[in-house]
Amino acid sequence: ETGVTQSPTHLIKTRGQQVTLRCSSQSGHNTVSWYQQALGQGPQFIFQYYREEENGRGNFPPRFSGLQFPNYSSELNVNALELDDSALYLCASSLTGQETQYFGPGTRLLVL
Amino acid sequence: QQQVKQSPQSLIVQKGGISIINCAYENTAFDYFPWYQQFPGKGPALLIAIRPDVSEKKEGRFTISFNKSAKQFSLHIMDSQPGDSATYFCAAHNNAGNMLTFGGGTRLMVKP
Repeated sequence: ETGVTQSPTHLIKTRGQQVTLRCSSQSGHNTVSWYQQALGQGPQFIFQYYREEENGRGNFPPRFSGLQFPNYSSELNVNALELDDSALYLCASSLTGQETQYFGPGTRLLVL
Repeated sequence: QQQVKQSPQSLIVQKGGISIINCAYENTAFDYFPWYQQFPGKGPALLIAIRPDVSEKKEGRFTISFNKSAKQFSLHIMDSQPGDSATYFCAAHNNAGNMLTFGGGTRLMVKP
């Protein structure tokens, strides 16, 4: 059984740029959630994807967007990067109807 | 309200001692309460979880105590080991949004 994988592991961007982060869900899991974890804080829910559609969203602006593909993998896109977007971005996969979410190792984004 | 409050922020315990981390919540719609362990540079890993119809759950050295009327739950780590040194997060699942709300985290250090 393959766990949740994310790429890239680290990324450095400048303010105003756009970034795409990728996630492959655990084998058999059809739901993907994205979280932002600022340094020293708990993860905050960005949004969730199920059946290739957004299925819930946290308190994040529209410049945070996502996609889910037929193989359940997912992308997180952030436009017009701001310094405060510097964080660890975590992807979690789960099976619909089950509460347990399994996290990937995250992508560390630094915005300069 | 979606907030989950976690305490203490940091904890130092001697090897062999008991580590206790507490969390409190307000939203009675929460239906599942997992604890995650996170090592530096890694994603959160599921440790143990409980549902609100159970007052206690034990898995090895890890025990969750749950007080539904007080809306509080806690993690007890028995016989704490230096390898347990990590950041621990409590979380609460909201079935309406299928999202996890995390506490602020507790940085545990177990001294040899």
